[in-house]
Amino acid sequence: RKEVEQDPGPFNVPEGATVAFNCTYSNSASQSFFWYRQDCRKEPKLLMSVYSSGNEDGRFTAQLNRASQYISLLIRDSKLSDSATYLCVLGGFKTIFGAGTRLFVKA
Amino acid sequence: EAGVVQSPRYKIIEKKQPVAFWCNPISGHNTLYWYLQNLGQGPELLIRYENEEAVDDSQLPKDRFSAERLKGVDSTLKIQPAELGDSAVYLCASSDGVNTEAFFGQGTRLTVV
Repeated sequence: RKEVEQDPGPFNVPEGATVAFNCTYSNSASQSFFWYRQDCRKEPKLLMSVYSSGNEDGRFTAQLNRASQYISLLIRDSKLSDSATYLCVLGGFKTIFGAGTRLFVKA
Repeated sequence: EAGVVQSPRYKIIEKKQPVAFWCNPISGHNTLYWYLQNLGQGPELLIRYENEEAVDDSQLPKDRFSAERLKGVDSTLKIQPAELGDSAVYLCASSDGVNTEAFFGQGTRLTVV
């Protein structure tokens, strides 16, 4: 089993849609979690950290479920500019990236 | 403030030739990572440095890959000899701790022909 697993997608959604991505992880000792965004042929950039209490940043909401070992990312009111690959990341001594979920938002 | 700087951006070499990549992390960042990213995949950790010490190189193919971080600042990653399967993007990242945000350079796109 991979340490971090994501649905590769792609997710094709219309503008204004709500879309959710899930990510499962195998190491129950993982301490920190992040969502990164990667545009085509660009480097990954931090989208948001994920806290046990959940956190929200504008249209983006991240949740952590330690008992079930998954994290989620919810994007509301999708914009064309949200089209990218979203990477689930476990921080720590071995910062581990998932393979990413591709999102296409169409007009 | 300058971000993580990598060079070269692109490199095309013939198989069996050596190649080296250079990375200058964000000033003050003690943690430096080298990742390899294949098309359609997430970055895979090759090596992590804390200052000048390689604290995790378990995923580095040591028969052909080597890395160094002299003086705990800049780092170089070398492949000798390169194989066709080494074609990928090599990303360098730095952070000020293991549980904090990693900042990435733009990467070096290597093509081995």
